[in-house]
Amino acid sequence: AQSVTQLGSHVSVSEGALVLLRCNYSSSVPPYLFWYVQYPNQGLQLLLKYTTGATLVKGINGFEAEFKKSETSFHLTKPSAHMSDAAEYFCAAPPNAGGTSYGKLTFGQGTILTVHP
Amino acid sequence: NAGVTQTPKFQVLKTGQSMTLQCAQDMNHEYMSWYRQDPGMGLRLIHYSVGAGITDQGEVPNGYNVSRSTTEDFPLRLLSAAPSQTSVYFCASSHKGAKNIQYFGAGTRLSVL
Repeated sequence: AQSVTQLGSHVSVSEGALVLLRCNYSSSVPPYLFWYVQYPNQGLQLLLKYTTGATLVKGINGFEAEFKKSETSFHLTKPSAHMSDAAEYFCAAPPNAGGTSYGKLTFGQGTILTVHP
Repeated sequence: NAGVTQTPKFQVLKTGQSMTLQCAQDMNHEYMSWYRQDPGMGLRLIHYSVGAGITDQGEVPNGYNVSRSTTEDFPLRLLSAAPSQTSVYFCASSHKGAKNIQYFGAGTRLSVL
């Protein structure tokens, strides 16, 4: 079964600095990959997704992620952090890479992003 | 424009009490899921459903029951609440052909004393 690992449970950056949140997946079969964001006391919102095609994926709020099969990674980046980016970010993938997952997702442990003025 | 609606938003239970967390979606999605969120553990799948009348267990199903009598509703029942079930619960739905893109409710924060 697919597993998803996020490196770093907490990341702290200054406003205007680069944001880099790391995610690695386990499957040898390229899966669908997702980043979700959770603002305080809210549900999860889809930030961006990789399904097939272009490996550099652009999402909402200036975030993007690059699918790298050779590194089994899907790291999330944003060139310049804003105070409003402070949230928890989750990387996710279907549990059965290459097969039917019936809408289910396996999530990473989450990374809390703090943005300092 | 409701999407996925969860009720209640907050609940406090005593050990041994039972309750039902409600989830409804108005997008005509075939798939629905329940997750629990605990600090440092991400979201873990409790139960899921691929359509009305069809449910199956996820990663952490013990202590929870579900049913799906309609496409719209997917309630989660705690039979006899335990302190280990203190968590934030999220319901999600997705369209069959949408490549696992899930839409989440706002969550129910449950405390079991």
